[in-house]
Amino acid sequence: AQSVAQPEDQVNVAEGNPLTVKCTYSVSGNPYLFWYVQYPNRGLQFLLKYITGDNLVKGSYGFEAEFNKSQTSFHLKKPSALVSDSALYFCAVRDISGGSYIPTFGRGTSLIVHP
Amino acid sequence: GAGVSQSPRYKVAKRGQDVALRCDPISGHVSLFWYQQALGQGPEFLTYFQNEAQLDKSGLPSDRFFAERPEGSVSTLKIQRTQQEDSAVYLCASSFKFGRESLGYTFGSGTRLTVV
Repeated sequence: AQSVAQPEDQVNVAEGNPLTVKCTYSVSGNPYLFWYVQYPNRGLQFLLKYITGDNLVKGSYGFEAEFNKSQTSFHLKKPSALVSDSALYFCAVRDISGGSYIPTFGRGTSLIVHP
Repeated sequence: GAGVSQSPRYKVAKRGQDVALRCDPISGHVSLFWYQQALGQGPEFLTYFQNEAQLDKSGLPSDRFFAERPEGSVSTLKIQRTQQEDSAVYLCASSFKFGRESLGYTFGSGTRLTVV
């Protein structure tokens, strides 16, 4: 079975400060990991992915995420937050060793960046 | 097309009415997924197609939900005898092909269904 947890419903950060949105996962094999962002009344937009290779993954809009196998985490980070980063963020996992075709999404974390 | 297109964007249905939601994936994308997103929640898997074959429908909440993709491109999610608990945003996503998810999944903007 595969699952993903986003332990924070909401993250608040001041503009210009670094931000972290947490994600932990559980798979029986090896994971594909994804981060998506959702703006109001819009679908999910792809930010970045970890498939294999470098544990630090860089994505769109200055976001990055670090794959940590020992901690089964894939936290999303950005060095300097913008007000326009305020949105819902979803982490997703697919267990490529478990034979699953289907990515499982977390409940989402609302990021609020204050001016 | 350039992206995944879903229609209608908004649908208000009276309880008991049947609805049909359409998804037009990116041309050439073999895999197609339907997700249901309730207010304040993450997307929950409904069903998965590889071309015209429905390989997984384990997430469909009841036999009132039915999905098809007869020619391996456009897909329709049908909900019969809608209930208030069906109110949600229905998201469609496509990807290039199974085993190539390194290219990511592309989501449509969704259909917001409100059952009154």
